[in-house]
Amino acid sequence: SYELTQPPSLSVSPGQTARITCSADALPKLYAYWYQQKPGQAPVLIIYKDTERPSGIPERFSGSSSGTTVTLTISGVQAEDEADYYCQSSDSSGAYSFGGGTKLTVL
Amino acid sequence: EVQLVETGGALIQPGGSLRLSCAVSGFTVSSSYMSWVRQAPGRGLEWVSVLYAGGYTYYADSVKGRFTISRDNSKNTLYLQMNSLRAEDTALYFCARDVVEAVAATSIGFQHWGQGTLVTVSS
Repeated sequence: SYELTQPPSLSVSPGQTARITCSADALPKLYAYWYQQKPGQAPVLIIYKDTERPSGIPERFSGSSSGTTVTLTISGVQAEDEADYYCQSSDSSGAYSFGGGTKLTVL
Repeated sequence: EVQLVETGGALIQPGGSLRLSCAVSGFTVSSSYMSWVRQAPGRGLEWVSVLYAGGYTYYADSVKGRFTISRDNSKNTLYLQMNSLRAEDTALYFCARDVVEAVAATSIGFQHWGQGTLVTVSS
């Protein structure tokens, strides 16, 4: 198995850009996925295969990948974006992993 | 419309057993990659187990040998049998569907989730 490492928290002001990173040695060989979870709700997929955005997800959410780090970028952060964000991946062994989560606070 | 509804959560004593169910509508469990994901109170998401369409199963090290994932195709339902429960198994348990691209057989993520069922292990 492998560990996905995320910063535990990030604070940004409305209208700014938030960048949340997720790191693991295995990431160059794997796809990453990102989920948003608000209190009392199930997670929602916001990015898949590193950079793809599901239908219905606002364009301000984007993903990128470089080496052992993948990044979720939220451009023009809005108050409604305050949530926990998780990266996730799966490897050829069949197992899945989630990062520890990043709590985004909109000041 | 896709729906996943988990049931079976309860307050259970350490060492006890519990079976969770995830009733699915809008797609077929037997042809899907189905996982259980849990979230301890105030903590992050933890993947627990997956049942692939072909029948292969995988487990997180933390539950291996104690939990068993299965499905009933006739009921379109996913299960998680949990034995030898510990306090650290206390969590909200979600079932989730990993959608896979048909041609490339590549995951496009956990697109469907239930609302979860709460398991509390305590004496």
